[in-house]
Amino acid sequence: GAGVSQSPRYKVAKRGQDVALRCDPISGHVSLFWYQQALGQGPEFLTYFQNEAQLDKSGLPSDRFFAERPEGSVSTLKIQRTQQEDSAVYLCASGPPGQANYGYTFGSGTRLTVV
Amino acid sequence: GNSVTQMEGPVTLSEEAFLTINCTYTATGYPSLFWYVQYPGEGLQLLLKATKADDKGSNKGFEATYRKETTSFHLEKGSVQVSDSAVYFCARINYGGATNKLIFGTGTLLAVQP
Repeated sequence: GAGVSQSPRYKVAKRGQDVALRCDPISGHVSLFWYQQALGQGPEFLTYFQNEAQLDKSGLPSDRFFAERPEGSVSTLKIQRTQQEDSAVYLCASGPPGQANYGYTFGSGTRLTVV
Repeated sequence: GNSVTQMEGPVTLSEEAFLTINCTYTATGYPSLFWYVQYPGEGLQLLLKATKADDKGSNKGFEATYRKETTSFHLEKGSVQVSDSAVYFCARINYGGATNKLIFGTGTLLAVQP
């Protein structure tokens, strides 16, 4: 597609519920990142994929967070047993190989509110 | 800890005023530097970048110069418009093994009044 697409745009979850957030990167982009942006803060790195391989998950805050990209394109970020502190905007970004110095393209994000 | 520091907002300006948003970074070597902009309700958009020391990035009237001596990448615009109201994020690349990820500052809210 023309840009990075994320869905849903908004998600309200009751505490304890599981949620799944989807990211459709730009076609052909090898690199895919997930970021978490709390209210009034800058985005914080969660995890990184190169094609289908999850090469870095050092930013995932707990084992309730899980991400996958099974075919090297669409990615899903899953949060199990959501807590109020999970409320944030979740951003996905993608980039072509070898272009890190030129920045990544971000989606519009999914705003998750846990009530 | 966060290795990108930018001035706190909000910054409130009148239309046609001069804008400066300060950004400094800590890093080993000379990483690529970026300014991203986030308009209300939208995702991050790349505004400009500089890939090496002394480079100047520019776009839409905004400029930032990569200053290795002061480890800074301040954002400037000579005459702001109401439509520039947004949150601005300074960022640098963090080269780490297989992951070249962006490290962001906390963002600076700019409000331009007519």
